[in-house]
Order: sequence, then C-alpha cells, then structure tokens
Amino acid sequence: SAVISQKPSRDICQRGTSLTIQCQVDSQVTMMFWYRQQPGQSLTLIATANQGSEATYESGFVIDKFPISRPNLTFSTLTVSNMSPEDSSIYLCSVTGWGIGDNEQFFGPGTRLTVL
Amino acid sequence: AQSVTQLGSHVSVSEGALVLLRCNYSSSVPPYLFWYVQYPNQGLQLLLKYTTGATLVKGINGFEAEFKKSETSFHLTKPSAHMSDAAEYFCAVTPGGFQKLVFGTGTRLLVSP
Repeated sequence: SAVISQKPSRDICQRGTSLTIQCQVDSQVTMMFWYRQQPGQSLTLIATANQGSEATYESGFVIDKFPISRPNLTFSTLTVSNMSPEDSSIYLCSVTGWGIGDNEQFFGPGTRLTVL
Repeated sequence: AQSVTQLGSHVSVSEGALVLLRCNYSSSVPPYLFWYVQYPNQGLQLLLKYTTGATLVKGINGFEAEFKKSETSFHLTKPSAHMSDAAEYFCAVTPGGFQKLVFGTGTRLLVSP
C-alpha cells in the first residue's frame, strides 16, 4: 500500500484566482492520477501525472486550466486556474504501480475546494 | 472502452439485514474490478478487489463480492448491515497495466436502526 497526503485539505477561494494542490506519497510510485469529484457525483479523471514529461489529460480537461507537475516519483501538484464556482469540488490524487498492489489505486484524503 | 453501471443511487436497509449493491461492467479485455467506500468528508478506501483467480473475493468489514463473467457483474454483499456501513460505495474497473480507473456513479447505503 501507500500513504498519501494532500495539502491543503480544504480551501475557500475567490473567483478568478488559482489554487495549487500538493500530493505527497511515502514511497516511489509508478503512476499518479488526479481526479475530480463534483458535489454528489462520482469521480472523474482529470489527468495522469507523468514524471519528467507533460501530463496526459482526459477529454474535457486542458493544461491551461489544470496545469500539473510531477518533478519526481513521490510528489505531484495540480493547479486549478482562473477558478469559477463550477470548479467547487473535491480533488483527489491517487497512486498505483509496481510493489504497492495489484493494479488497485490508493487515494489521498482529498482537497475540498469552494469557489465563491 | 470500459464502463461501469451501478443500479440504484440509494439503497436503504435495516441494521442486521443483507446488503446487496449492484455493479455491472463493460470491458473489451479481462477486467480488474474494485469496490471503494467513501465515508462522509473522507477520501476513498479500498474495500476489495478482483484481479485474477478466485471469483469470490472477501474484503474488509465483512464485505464480499463475486465476479461473474457471464453476467458481467461484480455485486457487493454483506450478510448483516451495521450502522457504521452507512457510506457511499463506488464500483470501478480498469484493464490493468496500471491504467486509469473508471468509476460507476456510486450508491449511497443508508442503514436504519
């Protein structure tokens, strides 16, 4: 398994600003993902964070809105840019890879974002 | 492409009753299947998984699920519900190879005394 922490745990932000969310893992992992969970909804994958290269975005998500960094095998950031109330969601990072399970993903506790 | 369908956005049971949460999947390759639970204001916790081998898998907190290829199902059961089981449950599928998870829409389990 893996122990994952996220910062901040929650935030209230103003429209038009940006927020960077951090995801830290206690061991090196192959894959890191970022999901969004809108209020009362299921999880939707935003992107796969690739170490040393640009993230791979899912349909409907773009780099300008959700820039992602992954400088090493234990850390990633997701920025929510130029926020609007529609960005109010829980943002979760997850990890998987060799040595930490059989294709299951382990999730961080999430960042609860409210945009006013 | 893969997809997951969870029948019933809400399931209500009495404490001590059988819990049955339904999950059907679509996959062009042998799937890896998972059930996750989300308690209020918390992240996702893995309940159980099916990868290969035995089709009846047991998880934490007394839950189990059976992979039925012919029915493309992976229903979650627990013989006797407890108040602490009240939560949101998500079924998810992946083709393996550490690829992304595709989630169902979730089922909220309500347990009454």
